[in-house]
Amino acid sequence: ETGVTQSPTHLIKTRGQQVTLRCSSQSGHNTVSWYQQALGQGPQFIFQYYREEENGRGNFPPRFSGLQFPNYSSELNVNALELDDSALYLCASRPGTGETQYFGPGTRLLVL
Amino acid sequence: GESVGLHLPTLSVQEGDNSIINCAYSNSASDYFIWYKQESGKGPQFIIDIRSNMDKRQGQRVTVLLNKTVKHLSLQIAATQPGDSAVYFCAEIPRYNTDKLIFGTGTRLQVFP
Repeated sequence: ETGVTQSPTHLIKTRGQQVTLRCSSQSGHNTVSWYQQALGQGPQFIFQYYREEENGRGNFPPRFSGLQFPNYSSELNVNALELDDSALYLCASRPGTGETQYFGPGTRLLVL
Repeated sequence: GESVGLHLPTLSVQEGDNSIINCAYSNSASDYFIWYKQESGKGPQFIIDIRSNMDKRQGQRVTVLLNKTVKHLSLQIAATQPGDSAVYFCAEIPRYNTDKLIFGTGTRLQVFP
């Protein structure tokens, strides 16, 4: 157990809809990152949040956005869903610079 | 662009044998490397890490080797067990103070009795 939880575990949406995924990290972990993992691929970095501010972003369009809350929980929002957004979405947290990132179990999103 | 790749998509080994999973990386500025294990339906699980100022690091039944000259990583698993069956990813962080892990596509390890 990594202490990182995500909800929901599975989700089905239709093209054009919006979705919010949630992550709760370990106590004291002030950095959270989100990754997208397509089937059969390695995770791709979406963005990172540190102390409630975005602190690094991968090659994802602005319709991917996020929030981090004072209790170090986090949300990933995706607007105008596309079929290619179907993937496993992972969050990872760590307590500080140089420490290991711990991943949650992921949310599997299917866009029809 | 930056990439981390793996030589073998699937590795099949017999229980009790040693396993070696290889990985090539392309960014010579990367200074931190991590191996993750991902079982079906789960998130990646940290196995072992190594910094660029090291050539070798050992854990429990696992060893990571880093060859910076040829930009190559390997993960050695001793006495492979059925519970080791999973997909293994190597990942790099190009800069020390970011969380932008760059993953490869993974190697599936299958352990046969």
